[in-house]
Order: sequence, then structure tokens, then C-alpha cells
Amino acid sequence: EVHLVESGGGLVQPGGSLRLSCAASGFTFNYYWMSWVRQAPGKGLEWVANIKQDGSDKYYVDSVKGRFTISRDNAKNSLYLQMNSLRDEDTAVYYCSRYGYNSGWFYFDYWGQGTLVTVSS
Amino acid sequence: DIQLTQSPSFLSASIGDRVTITCRASQGISSHLAWYQQKPGKAPKLLIYAASTLQSGVPSRFSGSGSGTEFTLTISSLQPEDFATYYCQQLNSYPHTFGQGTKLEIK
Repeated sequence: EVHLVESGGGLVQPGGSLRLSCAASGFTFNYYWMSWVRQAPGKGLEWVANIKQDGSDKYYVDSVKGRFTISRDNAKNSLYLQMNSLRDEDTAVYYCSRYGYNSGWFYFDYWGQGTLVTVSS
Repeated sequence: DIQLTQSPSFLSASIGDRVTITCRASQGISSHLAWYQQKPGKAPKLLIYAASTLQSGVPSRFSGSGSGTEFTLTISSLQPEDFATYYCQQLNSYPHTFGQGTKLEIK
């Protein structure tokens, strides 16, 4: 059974940094792209970043480019999101998700439970 | 960036009703569209991908259709567990934008 478990969220001051982790199990981690998606309190979903199986390709939403870095350690079956220069508007629940595929079609088929990041002074 | 607009944003319906949610893309995305269901305090759940392919384990009362710029999610006969918020998402190009959501409430 696929499991994704996020950790590392918490309260941080504006301008601060935080590193989120996602531990994956139940599937061959290095076969899949992986993603981060966030949801501000009471708001909708926002895709944040994607990373290729070997880490060679990464994509980001414009609002986090230059501040966030997605990475992975396939030996540890783990996904990461390094968040720097945090802003109030980065406050959200951050979900780790598997970027699944089938016959050329893509989708986010498994999600973690989310970890809350609160940016506030 | 591709914008997705869902309608309606709120929907009130009764058990047994047939409901349809529409998702319109600002430019053509072929069939690179997925639908998710989210309940309060929970992670989203994949319902449909490739616009019309039902994810394994999802009840057959859910169906999706469309291609290009207009898509629909239909629930043929609402069950109590279907009251939730629904999101469409395009995976045609980056950024992989979501619609703003449709909250389905009990009438």
C-alpha cells in the first residue's frame, strides 16, 4: 500500500526558512515524478513543484521560484521542499503527492496527510 | 498560464440527485484533465484522469467527459459520502493549475 508521510511543518517568521520532508513507501519511489501541492487556510489547491525521477528536471509555480527548492533522495525514498525567504502568503498545508502516469496521461494519484506551515511574526 | 474556471462554485443538492460540475480551460488542454474530491481536513482524492478515465476503486456513479477547453464531472445519483469539494486540474502544461473548487452541499 502506498504511503506518503510529510513532516517538518511549523511556525516560522517572515523571511525565515523551513525544510519539509516526505517519506514514501509501498511503491518503487525512483520510478515516479513527485510533487508538492499546497492549500492556504480555507482556500483552494495550488500546485507548487514537480521533480523528475532522477532529480534532473524540476518545475515550480512562479510565486516560489528562487525561494523554494524541490529535491529527492531515492536511496531514502524521500522527497524534500526547502523553503527560504518565507512570506505570509506561503502559509498553507503542504501536501506531498505522487505524480502518477498511465499511457501518457498524468495525475496526482496518492497524497500525504499534509503538514501545516504557518508564516507569522 | 492556463486558467481553469469551475461552475458553479457552490451547489446544493439532495441524496439521489444527478449533478454536473463544469470546468473550462482558458486554452485547449486536449484531455489532460483530472478531477479530485476533497473532504474537510483530508487530502484530495483522485476521481478521474485523462478527462474521462475512472480511477481504480472510484464508484461508477462518477463520470467525466470533455476535451479541449470544456469538461464536466457528473455524479449520477448523489450519496451521503459525496458531499465534499471538487477540483479540476490541468496537466497539459506547467504550472499544473487547479480550478477554484466546487463545494457540494446537502440541500
